[in-house]
Amino acid sequence: AQKITQTQPGMFVQEKEAVTLDCTYDTSDQSYGLFWYKQPSSGEMIFLIYQGSYDEQNATEGRYSLNFQKARKSANLVISASQLGDSAMYFCAMREGAGNNRLAFGKGNQVVVIP
Amino acid sequence: DGGITQSPKYLFRKEGQNVTLSCEQNLNHDAMYWYRQDPGQGLRLIYYSQIVNDFQKGDIAEGYSVSREKKESFPLTVTSAQKNPTAFYLCASSTRTSSSTDTQYFGPGTRLTVL
Repeated sequence: AQKITQTQPGMFVQEKEAVTLDCTYDTSDQSYGLFWYKQPSSGEMIFLIYQGSYDEQNATEGRYSLNFQKARKSANLVISASQLGDSAMYFCAMREGAGNNRLAFGKGNQVVVIP
Repeated sequence: DGGITQSPKYLFRKEGQNVTLSCEQNLNHDAMYWYRQDPGQGLRLIYYSQIVNDFQKGDIAEGYSVSREKKESFPLTVTSAQKNPTAFYLCASSTRTSSSTDTQYFGPGTRLTVL
């Protein structure tokens, strides 16, 4: 079964507008971590933001915020005030349990920011 | 500058040849990882290492081998036994090995093409 689901088609967003990228996950563990990475056309994976399963507050990092809804098992990424440099693939990933190094990745969301 | 380097950026291989991809980090990270990415897909874990002289198979280890003789280095060999090696290969590292908050940081990747 897929642990991370990202099913949105490619998205076009106007510069300076906000965009929300959906991510749902599947786990039976109580302790887990959720990550978002950005992959521009150059290929490098850039870490954006982290949310722990026990964190009561939604994570924020600059223009990135995570809308964490634990009961619904969703961890949507919100990018505010989109910039042209935000055009990239965005991947949601999960680490389950403690003592586990393995990250499970979704298939990604494509975002294109238009001026 | 601290970071993860991968070389070469592009690699071409003839069928039946083994080839080794380099990954070096100067972040003093204990754990290192190798992932494979196919077009339109997320990342899949090939091998990972939590400490020098130790490594574990990931989800798609068949046809690959690794070594971890130094903390800074985690080379990946793609052997002739790997039936479909053309892909983008990403190396990552992280500090701690037993926490769900442990964040993996990635190198720029190597694009391998089998001719």
